[in-house]
Amino acid sequence: QSVLTQPPSASGTPGQRVTISCSGSSSNIGSNTVNWYQQLPGTAPKLLIYSNNQRPSGVPDRFSGSKSGTSASLAISGLQSEDEADYYCAAWDDSLNGRYVFGTGTKVTVL
Amino acid sequence: EVQLVESGGGLVQPGRSLRLSCAASGFTFDDYAMHWVRQAPGKGLEWVSGISWNSGSIGYADSVKGRFTISRDNAKNSLYLQMNSLRAEDTALYYCAKDLGPVPAAPFDPWGQGTLVTVSS
Repeated sequence: QSVLTQPPSASGTPGQRVTISCSGSSSNIGSNTVNWYQQLPGTAPKLLIYSNNQRPSGVPDRFSGSKSGTSASLAISGLQSEDEADYYCAAWDDSLNGRYVFGTGTKVTVL
Repeated sequence: EVQLVESGGGLVQPGRSLRLSCAASGFTFDDYAMHWVRQAPGKGLEWVSGISWNSGSIGYADSVKGRFTISRDNAKNSLYLQMNSLRAEDTALYYCAKDLGPVPAAPFDPWGQGTLVTVSS
């Protein structure tokens, strides 16, 4: 099961700011960088944020990431209808010979 | 354009085996680590296994360790996942994903479209 905890859902109206939290432990978020993936309905996941707060080329700057201690967060400012998707945080976990762990996922709904 | 195309999925009985393949193109395959990630129907993402550029570093999720084997053929630009002793809980869409570096260190970008594995009698 997932070792990174996210709220199951979040929502907002167009233009609003939405924040998604991701809670981990010292063996994962506490000692490694955090990545975020966006999964639009019926499609494969896409890298959204890497190394806590870096955006790959092509990702709008309304998406931002941050990390503090054993927690991280993803913010979507100026929410748009096309942002309706599932969002997953992820990090390497140094326990048990290393493994990559994903968050439980958050469904973002644009009202 | 980087492309990852998975194949080999299908319906298989519990206890049987299946081999997944991922054909890569559009980048220098042997410069990068590769991974398999799965997603059970209606569920979240689960990392299955990762392999370094030269197959020198390999890791598995506890849920598949001892049953699944990851491998790669750099001459054929291909990644594989040999799945033995399959269980109903292995039913999922299996994605192939490229690491951004030569050893398994994440993040993964891009991902293939996935191949569906259904384990059922």
